[in-house]
Amino acid sequence: DQQVKQNSPSLSVQEGRISILNCDYTNSMFDYFLWYKKYPAEGPTFLISISSIKDKNEDGRFTVFLNKSAKHLSLHIVPSQPGDSAVYFCAARRTNFGNEKLTFGTGTRLTIIP
Amino acid sequence: GAGVSQTPSNKVTEKGKYVELRCDPISGHTALYWYRQSLGQGPEFLIYFQGTGAADDSGLPNDRFFAVRPEGSVSTLKIQRTERGDSAVYLCASSLRPLGDGGELFFGEGSRLTVL
Repeated sequence: DQQVKQNSPSLSVQEGRISILNCDYTNSMFDYFLWYKKYPAEGPTFLISISSIKDKNEDGRFTVFLNKSAKHLSLHIVPSQPGDSAVYFCAARRTNFGNEKLTFGTGTRLTIIP
Repeated sequence: GAGVSQTPSNKVTEKGKYVELRCDPISGHTALYWYRQSLGQGPEFLIYFQGTGAADDSGLPNDRFFAVRPEGSVSTLKIQRTERGDSAVYLCASSLRPLGDGGELFFGEGSRLTVL
């Protein structure tokens, strides 16, 4: 049972335009969400996160939006740059005491076209 | 280096053999995590250590998998009687403090295990 879903395996965007990556979750107990970026032959690196008490979090070119009623979040990158080409993973967590487990989606490969 | 170090980077073994994968976390990081990433999938949680103890091993798929962290730093993931389905990239991550205390995971490059 895939509790975190990224339905687009790949996405191509022109340099300078906006990239929008989507993520859906099924477990309503998840209340903290993260995005990770992964380059080939490297481990994932943390990008940005959002708590369920917010609906938006912004960090430079990266903004994450959370729609709790739809159980949907999205990552916006604007403007997109060639160095943004990577696989992006959405992850979710239930912040009950002692729970350190992240549940990841299957990833979306983003390619920025120069 | 200053990051999480995992060895070996690649391991090819035969079905039925025993394998050990090592993780050297960032110095001072008390929390350590193992994840497994199969082809076309996202990372899947295996086990979490706080200090020397396994605080959550609920993600270990069966009793062929075992992990230790005897001195609270280096951790070893041990897989007995390997099966072809164990083929994956095994990722280790460490954190200065637990996620529940506002920690952030730093991942290593992973150990790619191939079971023939």
